[in-house]
Amino acid sequence: DGGITQSPKYLFRKEGQNVTLSCEQNLNHDAMYWYRQDPGQGLRLIYYSQIVNDFQKGDIAEGYSVSREKKESFPLTVTSAQKNPTAFYLCASSMFVGRRETQYFGPGTRLLVL
Amino acid sequence: AQSVTQPDIHITVSEGASLELRCNYSYGATPYLFWYVQSPGQGLQLLLKYFSGDTLVQGIKGFEAEFKRSQSSFNLRKPSVHWSDAAEYFCAGGGDYKLSFGAGTTVTVRA
Repeated sequence: DGGITQSPKYLFRKEGQNVTLSCEQNLNHDAMYWYRQDPGQGLRLIYYSQIVNDFQKGDIAEGYSVSREKKESFPLTVTSAQKNPTAFYLCASSMFVGRRETQYFGPGTRLLVL
Repeated sequence: AQSVTQPDIHITVSEGASLELRCNYSYGATPYLFWYVQSPGQGLQLLLKYFSGDTLVQGIKGFEAEFKRSQSSFNLRKPSVHWSDAAEYFCAGGGDYKLSFGAGTTVTVRA
């Protein structure tokens, strides 16, 4: 059953702590994305990756980092530099990067600050 | 810059009534447009998409959308709403490397 999985469903961060959100896909997609969702603001792009070992900053990359060591995996680290990390984080993937490409989304991870 | 606007933040509709959600876009070239639905605490599910051709697009769950270039609109419709349609709906436009999302419209269904 193909799809995108994200874990954990809920994540709690303490002050000064880095936390990592997992995203895995078995759709054989080259492109993967991380979006942040805040109430009333839609979704904003944090990072995207077109291919293994390559990734690009999106609109709100400050305070976040990513890696793409495997085609299936695109983990997101929320660093202590991100001062307002409380949000719902969505991972997506598409066959390629481009205007015609349909993006498919995972179930999301909600990050809360203790 | 390419952008998508959803003018309605919240819509309440009675079960069995029709539903129309508005989406306006601002794109220089042919837009690639999508509608997604999100249930509380869940990810986004694709309802339908428009790339070119027929301006009336059919999607899943009984939804359809009509692309109107003259009005720069891509409104989503459903003839008869079910209680399970209560959710948040997002219109999005395809860009060079990302989707540009509207702020979303929350739909409440009353019995």
